[in-house]
Amino acid sequence: GENVEQHPSTLSVQEGDSAVIKCTYSDSASNYFPWYKQELGKRPQLIIDIRSNVGEKKDQRIAVTLNKTAKHFSLHITETQPEDSAVYFCAASSGGTSYGKLTFGQGTILTVHP
Amino acid sequence: GAGVSQSPRYKVAKRGQDVALRCDPISGHVSLFWYQQALGQGPEFLTYFQNEAQLDKSGLPSDRFFAERPEGSVSTLKIQRTQQEDSAVYLCASSLQGGATEAFFGQGTRLTVV
Repeated sequence: GENVEQHPSTLSVQEGDSAVIKCTYSDSASNYFPWYKQELGKRPQLIIDIRSNVGEKKDQRIAVTLNKTAKHFSLHITETQPEDSAVYFCAASSGGTSYGKLTFGQGTILTVHP
Repeated sequence: GAGVSQSPRYKVAKRGQDVALRCDPISGHVSLFWYQQALGQGPEFLTYFQNEAQLDKSGLPSDRFFAERPEGSVSTLKIQRTQQEDSAVYLCASSLQGGATEAFFGQGTRLTVV
């Protein structure tokens, strides 16, 4: 089955700096890669996703890049703000026989210091 | 409601007790997933429904875990004879059609077995 590795496990930055979180996956059939933000005690919320037919996607301060050959994808947050502090999870899914079942990374605790 | 709703939010069970966790997906969503999230970890897949059909239950950790979605909307995850290792947050997610589409998560049920 799919295996997703995520690093770093914790990341501390100053407000205004950039933050990068990296994930690798094992199943070459995976074709959908969402990123979720989870605040303490709250539900995971999708912040950005990318499909395997594109290499990069950007939404304001957030961007995701995908390297299918190397089987890794990354989340980039620019101009970080204290409200970006949360746990971030990457995930991978192959939409066919796995119906969109998500395999998650272990999570990255991001702390943005004012 | 606008989102995925789960109840109860918190459940304390004595070891050996049976529990039932409820999920109300977004209306019209065909796909429904259950995930288990241990403290400090990413969610792990338990089971998947397409309408009322349970198409994948490969993630259920033991035969004490049972899930149903009899009318293709509300789903119930039942855990019989709860054990301490069952303590976790149980997340439900729904998506319009599965595959490479956004999954919307509920706030979860935090189960503590004492």
